[in-house]
Amino acid sequence: KQEVTQIPAALSVPEGENLVLNCSFTDSAIYNLQWFRQDPGKGLTSLLLIQSSQREQTSGRLNASLDKSSGRSTLYIAASQPGDSATYLCAVRAGSARQLTFGSGTQLTVLP
Amino acid sequence: NAGVTQTPKFQVLKTGQSMTLQCAQDMNHEYMSWYRQDPGMGLRLIHYSVGAGITDQGEVPNGYNVSRSTTEDFPLRLLSAAPSQTSVYFCASSSNSGGAFEETQYFGPGTRLLVL
Repeated sequence: KQEVTQIPAALSVPEGENLVLNCSFTDSAIYNLQWFRQDPGKGLTSLLLIQSSQREQTSGRLNASLDKSSGRSTLYIAASQPGDSATYLCAVRAGSARQLTFGSGTQLTVLP
Repeated sequence: NAGVTQTPKFQVLKTGQSMTLQCAQDMNHEYMSWYRQDPGMGLRLIHYSVGAGITDQGEVPNGYNVSRSTTEDFPLRLLSAAPSQTSVYFCASSSNSGGAFEETQYFGPGTRLLVL
């Protein structure tokens, strides 16, 4: 059974700092991996999707990498801002079905 | 485009009551799913559907029923609510057309359910 782990569970950084969020998964036979953002009391917003054949994806200040063989992904946030404060979740899709297996998230706080 | 909408936003039930959580999407997506989110446990898949008339179970289906009579709607029914079903419920949808963009899953704002 696929398991997804995100460490740390919470992270607090000063504004302007570059930071890395980690995601690991136990079964490397994945179809793709997605990073989501969740604001308090809100739904999930997709940030980046990396197909299994890709090594990384970039969107603005965000860069996500994927190392399938080691079962790891990282989300790099450059020049963090207070508006980046949210919970970040990674999720993997295994096989042809569209079901996602989620990690429990990293709660990020960017201090002004 | 309203995207994925869910009603109600918040609901309090007594043990044994039944209710239906509504989910609708206006993006003509074939794939729809229901997740529950509990503290420290991430999101877990309850049921999903790959198109009208087709549904299947996810990781935690017990106590829930679904049906998919139209492409747009995917309601989740709690037959006899239990305190263990206190959670936040999210509906999601995506296209089956293939390609990285179409793969993206869109989530609704969630329904917060408290079962007493």
